[in-house]
Amino acid sequence: EDQVTQSPEALRLQEGESSSLNCSYTVSGLRGLFWYRQDPGKGPEFLFTLYSAGEEKEKERLKATLTKKESFLHITAPKPEDSATYLCAVQASETSGSRLTFGEGTQLTVNP
Amino acid sequence: KAGVTQTPRYLIKTRGQQVTLSCSPISGHRSVSWYQQTPGQGLQFLFEYFSETQRNKGNFPGRFSGRQFSNSRSEMNVSTLELGDSALYLCASSGLANTDTQYFGPGTRLTVL
Repeated sequence: EDQVTQSPEALRLQEGESSSLNCSYTVSGLRGLFWYRQDPGKGPEFLFTLYSAGEEKEKERLKATLTKKESFLHITAPKPEDSATYLCAVQASETSGSRLTFGEGTQLTVNP
Repeated sequence: KAGVTQTPRYLIKTRGQQVTLSCSPISGHRSVSWYQQTPGQGLQFLFEYFSETQRNKGNFPGRFSGRQFSNSRSEMNVSTLELGDSALYLCASSGLANTDTQYFGPGTRLTVL
């Protein structure tokens, strides 16, 4: 069974204080690892897709990396508007269709 | 390009009733997936439809069902509602390939009293 574990559950940072979120996964053949951001009361917003170990992607203050067992979302010099829940999800090669298995998320709070 | 839309945004029902939720995917997308999000269980996959056929199904009871129309719009139905069905129901659409990114709608907040 595919499993995704995210840590920490919650993270509080000061504005400008860089940090990383972790996503560990167990999957029978990874087709893709996805990062989403979710604001309260809204649907998840797509950030990145990573397909193979060693791959990295960047967008503004965010950078996602992937190894064979985990992914990191690095947040550089965060701002209060980066406060949200960050979700990691995997898509397995043995699974037909587009099914995603999600982690529980990391709730990030950035204080001014 | 318009995003995924879901209606209604909020619903209040009582136990035993049934409910139908609607999802319109991004134009050109043919795959629609449904997820249930609760504080205790997180985001859980319900089912996926592609070209009017159910392509994949999660571990939910038969009270949860869905369908997709020829224009790719999708509906999900929950019969005999239980208190535990209170959740945010999210719809996501993606293109033709299995590895295409899924884009989520704003969700329907269902409260069962």
